[in-house]
Amino acid sequence: AQSVTQLGSHVSVSEGALVLLRCNYSSSVPPYLFWYVQYPNQGLQLLLKYTSAATLVKGINGFEAEFKKSETSFHLTKPSAHMSDAAEYFCAVSKGDDKIIFGKGTRLHILP
Amino acid sequence: DSGVTQTPKHLITATGQRVTLRCSPRSGDLSVYWYQQSLDQGLQFLIHYYNGEERAKGNILERFSAQQFPDLHSELNLSSLELGDSALYFCASSVTSGGVDEQFFGPGTRLTVL
Repeated sequence: AQSVTQLGSHVSVSEGALVLLRCNYSSSVPPYLFWYVQYPNQGLQLLLKYTSAATLVKGINGFEAEFKKSETSFHLTKPSAHMSDAAEYFCAVSKGDDKIIFGKGTRLHILP
Repeated sequence: DSGVTQTPKHLITATGQRVTLRCSPRSGDLSVYWYQQSLDQGLQFLIHYYNGEERAKGNILERFSAQQFPDLHSELNLSSLELGDSALYFCASSVTSGGVDEQFFGPGTRLTVL
């Protein structure tokens, strides 16, 4: 069965600092991996997705994630945090079988 | 604006009642997914429809059911409501099935069961 683990339900970084949100997955087959962002009182929005074309995936708003098969990880990074990045971030995995499993989410706080 | 609409935005009802949540996907999208988001359970996949057919079920209770109509809008029916059903219910749509396309999420329906 597929599963997703996001380490840290809350992460705080200073404005301008590196953002690192961790995601580990388990899947019996090569997975499709996603990061979604949810701003307050809104639905989720896709940041980026991995579909085996390239291990380093660039997304919107300066975010990127690297697929590391040996570590079963798909961590999300951004070099310099901005106040507008404060939101909840969800990692998700799919086997391509009509289901997508979401992690429990990480709330990112940006400190001025 | 994702192009996905959900009605109503808020719903307050009593235990034991039945409610229907409605979702209209983006124009051209054939897949509709339903999710439940609560503080303790996080974001849970409920069910997926593609072009009117049920394609996958997740953690959906037997008291819950859904359908997708010929015009591709979908409804999620929740019956015999319990306090624990209070949550934010999202629908999302995508062009194809398979769970590999970007899903576009609606703004959600907040259900409060008193």
